[in-house]
Amino acid sequence: QKEVEQNSGPLSVPEGAIASLNCTYSDRGSQSFFWYRQYSGKSPELIMSIYSNGDKEDGRFTAQLNKASQYVSLLIRDSQPSDSATYLCAATSYDKVIFGPGTSLSVIP
Amino acid sequence: GAGVSQSPSNKVTEKGKDVELRCDPISGHTALYWYRQSLGQGLEFLIYFQGNSAPDKSGLPSDRFSAERTGGSVSTLTIQRTQQEDSAVYLCASSLASLTLYGYTFGSGTRLTVV
Repeated sequence: QKEVEQNSGPLSVPEGAIASLNCTYSDRGSQSFFWYRQYSGKSPELIMSIYSNGDKEDGRFTAQLNKASQYVSLLIRDSQPSDSATYLCAATSYDKVIFGPGTSLSVIP
Repeated sequence: GAGVSQSPSNKVTEKGKDVELRCDPISGHTALYWYRQSLGQGLEFLIYFQGNSAPDKSGLPSDRFSAERTGGSVSTLTIQRTQQEDSAVYLCASSLASLTLYGYTFGSGTRLTVV
């Protein structure tokens, strides 16, 4: 059973701080990794994808991948209250995407 | 269409009744997936369609669940003899064939409540 694991949280950070979200995956064959944001009562929205070891930056978001450690992370700089949501880490496994249980983030004004 | 469309958005049904949930994927997306998300839980894979290939049904929780995809486009998920544990949000997603690059685009989901 291929798995993606995340701390469920909640993770609370003050407005303007850096939020750090972490994820591990079990399938060494996974090639692509994704971060989805899910607001309460809404469907998941893709915010970042990463395929190679290292960092990938997009605005306030930075995704980090370390395939040797089977570790993925998401950094959110200058966190805003609107970033408060559940963040789902996901990894491809063959022809499917396996999702982690999500980490709840709360940004405190 | 511009996005993945699901209907109905909400469905309340009595225990033991059958329900049908519909998904219309993004035009040109050959892959279509169904997931289930119970309250406070993660996404549970149900079934996957890719083009004309046989669907991957490995995630269907019981034989009360079935799905079909007509003409490589619209998909219907059917739950027979619904049970209270079937209550969840059912999410449909589609992707271009190159899942590795693009990931999924999700629809807004159908919230199913079995009473």
